[in-house]
Amino acid sequence: GAVVSQHPSWVICKSGTSVKIECRSLDFQATTMFWYRQFPKKSLMLMATSNEGSKATYEQGVEKDKFLINHASLTLSTLTVTSAHPEDSSFYICSAFDSRNTEAFFGQGTRLTVV
Amino acid sequence: QKEVEQNSGPLSVPEGAIASLNCTYSDRGSQSFFWYRQYSGKSPELIMSIYSNGDKEDGRFTAQLNKASQYVSLLIRDSQPSDSATYLCAVKRNYGQNFVFGPGTRLSVLP
Repeated sequence: GAVVSQHPSWVICKSGTSVKIECRSLDFQATTMFWYRQFPKKSLMLMATSNEGSKATYEQGVEKDKFLINHASLTLSTLTVTSAHPEDSSFYICSAFDSRNTEAFFGQGTRLTVV
Repeated sequence: QKEVEQNSGPLSVPEGAIASLNCTYSDRGSQSFFWYRQYSGKSPELIMSIYSNGDKEDGRFTAQLNKASQYVSLLIRDSQPSDSATYLCAVKRNYGQNFVFGPGTRLSVLP
């Protein structure tokens, strides 16, 4: 299947700082990528849909000024958690839709811990 | 009603048995259905996709789809302890490219 690379795989940051997570589609172009958050023993919750060349679409309840998404190219989307707080600690996962196979593939995930 | 529903489990089966995982969805117009496996602390990985009514087999896995009943299932034959994971049912919305995930069913295969 297609490959989606997410970086970093884990990060620890201090409260109040910002963290950037990258998501890359390695062997296909992704006009749309998705960002999910998963708390322990909970299901994936969609945060936002990232569209290449345009603004992201955020799900209800997700603060767009806190979770900045940039989809600058057909292979890269970034999620920046701004002014991070301990409650932002979670597992963040990106996925990209491969229109060639009409399937979605996931990045490896980023475990964020805010101390 | 949630868009995609699954029994949270845990579902426990003995090694070598058949594990049956079920999923229902609310959007009757949905056309694409997927099963993902997620190990603890890892990202989901795609196991099967199914688009037409009936069965689709891939090795020890069989996906079953019944659009009239809005029901999709995953059977795992000859279950192995390595199959122990959370299985996520996903339905692709008809608009856009977004997927809606069920809460997942935790499967435990006992040696």
